[in-house]
Amino acid sequence: NAGVTQTPKFRILKIGQSMTLQCAQDMNHNYMYWYRQDPGMGLKLIYYSVGAGITDKGEVPNGYNVSRSTTEDFPLRLELAAPSQTSVYFCASSYLGPNSYEQYFGPGTRLTVT
Amino acid sequence: AQSVTQPDIHITVSEGASLELRCNYSYGATPYLFWYVQSPGQGLQLLLKYFSGDTLVQGIKGFEAEFKRSQSSFNLRKPSVHWSDAAEYFCAVGIMDSNYQLIWGAGTKLIIKP
Repeated sequence: NAGVTQTPKFRILKIGQSMTLQCAQDMNHNYMYWYRQDPGMGLKLIYYSVGAGITDKGEVPNGYNVSRSTTEDFPLRLELAAPSQTSVYFCASSYLGPNSYEQYFGPGTRLTVT
Repeated sequence: AQSVTQPDIHITVSEGASLELRCNYSYGATPYLFWYVQSPGQGLQLLLKYFSGDTLVQGIKGFEAEFKRSQSSFNLRKPSVHWSDAAEYFCAVGIMDSNYQLIWGAGTKLIIKP
């Protein structure tokens, strides 16, 4: 299993540009999450999904959109990028079952908006 | 409201010395508890977890943690640290609100002195 994969690893955007961060998991997990991590800070939840076709906002959803058309994929869309969106973005997944509530993380996407 | 507190932003320990990282949480029910480690430039890796049963849990890389219900704590310990343990450590609490989420601490950066 590849686990949770994210592309790209790095990206530089100009203010006002848009992009999609890709996330895929091959563990058949029902839950998927997008977090951002600012320098020296913990994780903040942007959006999450409890299954294909179902998404919900987290703590910091403004400026982002998500969709979940399949169990495997959970892309994060940035519209009109702003410098405040400079961060490292992590995708995670989890399967809620007996003794199985932990999240598995991708390697992250480092995004700079200038 | 639910919260997770890691009171130490940085901790410096000599190589070979013992380590204890503190984590306190606020949650009305018995939570699911996790410790993750993040090496520089990497994603998050699960060190250990507690769901129920024995309150002393063993994890990977020689780490252990103890759940103390009376103190709402889940402190991480290692008897003898190695230079490769230098990383950031995150405590997280799994809660079931409208859906299942992890509430994250802000992290503790571990610095190892040679």
